[in-house]
Amino acid sequence: SAVISQKPSRDICQRGTSLTIQCQVDSQVTMMFWYRQQPGQSLTLIATANQGSEATYESGFVIDKFPISRPNLTFSTLTVSNMSPEDSSIYLCSVIIRESNQPQHFGDGTRLSIL
Amino acid sequence: AQRVTQPEKLLSVFKGAPVELKCNYSYSGSPELFWYVQYSRQRLQLLLRHISRESIKGFTADLNKGETSFHLKKPFAQEEDSAMYYCALLSPSYDKVIFGPGTSLSVIP
Repeated sequence: SAVISQKPSRDICQRGTSLTIQCQVDSQVTMMFWYRQQPGQSLTLIATANQGSEATYESGFVIDKFPISRPNLTFSTLTVSNMSPEDSSIYLCSVIIRESNQPQHFGDGTRLSIL
Repeated sequence: AQRVTQPEKLLSVFKGAPVELKCNYSYSGSPELFWYVQYSRQRLQLLLRHISRESIKGFTADLNKGETSFHLKKPFAQEEDSAMYYCALLSPSYDKVIFGPGTSLSVIP
């Protein structure tokens, strides 16, 4: 099992600004991911956060818009850059732990609203 | 292509009626399949994992590799089952989870 802390839990931001979301895990994990859940939609994988190297982005997501850091095996950040109203969403940090009854664990999410 | 499909965006059933939420997947290899549930304004919760073969809250799901399906079933729907249900696939190498688009289940009293 893993406890994932995400900060901030919610924020309201102005158009054109950037926000960095932090994800802290209480144990070392290899696989860490960032998802987006837009209103009324399913979870969409943004990228896999790789420790010590550049993140692996899914189709439709780019590093300039969603830069990700992963300095160690317990921490990652996702920045949402130059925000527009279309970026209003819940952003979720997730980890996979192989030796677990529940392999995938989620943070509580960051609810982001852009005015 | 790796994909999880849930053909029904909305599903309404009467209380006490059987319910089946469909899930099909496309993946080369032997992935692991899950069902997640998300109640209104709550976080995502794991409902079922195919390898555990458990029954949670009366729900069961059987992995059919021939039909590449993992349908979720419950014989008698309850009002508290109203929620969003997501089918998800975990790659065999544990390096990616793909979610389906979700099915909104509404149980009518």
